Amino acid sequence: QKEVEQNSGPLSVPEGAIASLNCTYSDRVSQSFFWYRQYSGKSPELIMSIYSNGDKEDGRFTAQLNKASQYVSLLIRDSQPSDSATYLCAVNSRGSTLGRLYFGRGTQLTVWP
Amino acid sequence: DTAVSQTPKYLVTQMGNDKSIKCEQNLGHDTMYWYKQDSKKFLKIMFSYNNKELIINETVPNRFSPKSPDKAHLNLHINSLELGDSAVYFCASSPGTSGGVFQETQYFGPGTRLLVL
Repeated sequence: QKEVEQNSGPLSVPEGAIASLNCTYSDRVSQSFFWYRQYSGKSPELIMSIYSNGDKEDGRFTAQLNKASQYVSLLIRDSQPSDSATYLCAVNSRGSTLGRLYFGRGTQLTVWP
Repeated sequence: DTAVSQTPKYLVTQMGNDKSIKCEQNLGHDTMYWYKQDSKKFLKIMFSYNNKELIINETVPNRFSPKSPDKAHLNLHINSLELGDSAVYFCASSPGTSGGVFQETQYFGPGTRLLVL
């Protein structure tokens, strides 16, 4: 059973702060990692994907991957109230059926003004 | 110009009924998925089709049957609905294989909120 673990939160940060979201996964051969954002009552939308160890930056978002430690994180710099949402970590594994993503239960982020 | 669309958006029905949810994507993608998101927000894959061929069939009750008439459509039929089927059902699509590489980014539809009474 492949597992993806996230702190459910809620994580609460003030506007302008850095929000740090963490995710660990159990399958060592996992190779593709995704962060989705889901606003309440809406569908998940992809915000970041990362495949190699290290950091990947896109605007205010930075994804960090450490395959040796089996964790992936998402940093949100200069957090805004509009970032308040649930963030879902998803992992695909080498050897799994193509397209099979395993999702964590999500971390609820609240950014207060 | 909706990319992935689902109908209906809301579905309220009685236990024991049979219902269908429809999904269409206009992205030209080869692969489509059905997910179930429960009340605790856990998103779990149910089925996946690639070019109308079933490639993922998770352990779900056989009351759930997907149908893909063409690669732009993936419908979900549910027989004998039960209280525990109440959830949000998301359809998603991804490009499929391009240049020998499977493109994994999945795009989700707006969801169908099913309530079984």
